[in-house]
Amino acid sequence: EAGVTQSPTHLIKTRGQQATLRCSPISGHTSVYWYQQALGLGLQFLLWYDEGEERNRGNFPPRFSGRQFPNYSSELNVNALELEDSALYLCASSLTGNTDTQYFGPGTRLTVL
Amino acid sequence: KQEVTQIPAALSVPEGENLVLNCSFTDSAIYNLQWFRQDPGKGLTSLLLIQSSQREQTSGRLNASLDKSSGRSTLYIAASQPGDSATYLCAVRVGRGSTLGRLYFGRGTQLTVWP
Repeated sequence: EAGVTQSPTHLIKTRGQQATLRCSPISGHTSVYWYQQALGLGLQFLLWYDEGEERNRGNFPPRFSGRQFPNYSSELNVNALELEDSALYLCASSLTGNTDTQYFGPGTRLTVL
Repeated sequence: KQEVTQIPAALSVPEGENLVLNCSFTDSAIYNLQWFRQDPGKGLTSLLLIQSSQREQTSGRLNASLDKSSGRSTLYIAASQPGDSATYLCAVRVGRGSTLGRLYFGRGTQLTVWP
């Protein structure tokens, strides 16, 4: 069974540009979560999507947004990129949005120059 | 707000030692606690999940315990091997209101096992 996949693996952008990151959950999983892992800050919760709806978001500005498609895959968009957005962005999925195990993908390394 | 602390931040041991990694959390009203492993620059691999009603979980050489009332969990690694070298992360899930769905992570314990 395929795990959570993310694309691209690496992304290099310049300040002010927009970045789009993609995530495909494990087959049968309806919940997708996004986390940011910036150097020295640990893993921070960004967004949670379940059944196509945004269920919760962390303490991030509105220029971080996303969506979940009918096939449960998800996209994270970061507008007006800033240098401090450089981080590893991790996507996770779970069978439902309650108490199930979250399975993580390999991440997308975003570098903002 | 839930805060998760992991001690020690780093650990370097010779192969074969039995290890204990510690995790503490401030809000005992959790749904579950998960231990992960992260290799450098990689994603997270789920090791063990303990539901709030459970006291411990075991998988191979790994054993995790949970004491919800005191806000503590320990991950025990038996007979450590160089392949165990990685960062170990503890995360708790709280399910109320604005915290729905999210995991709160500790900063991790960076483990090095040398031959």
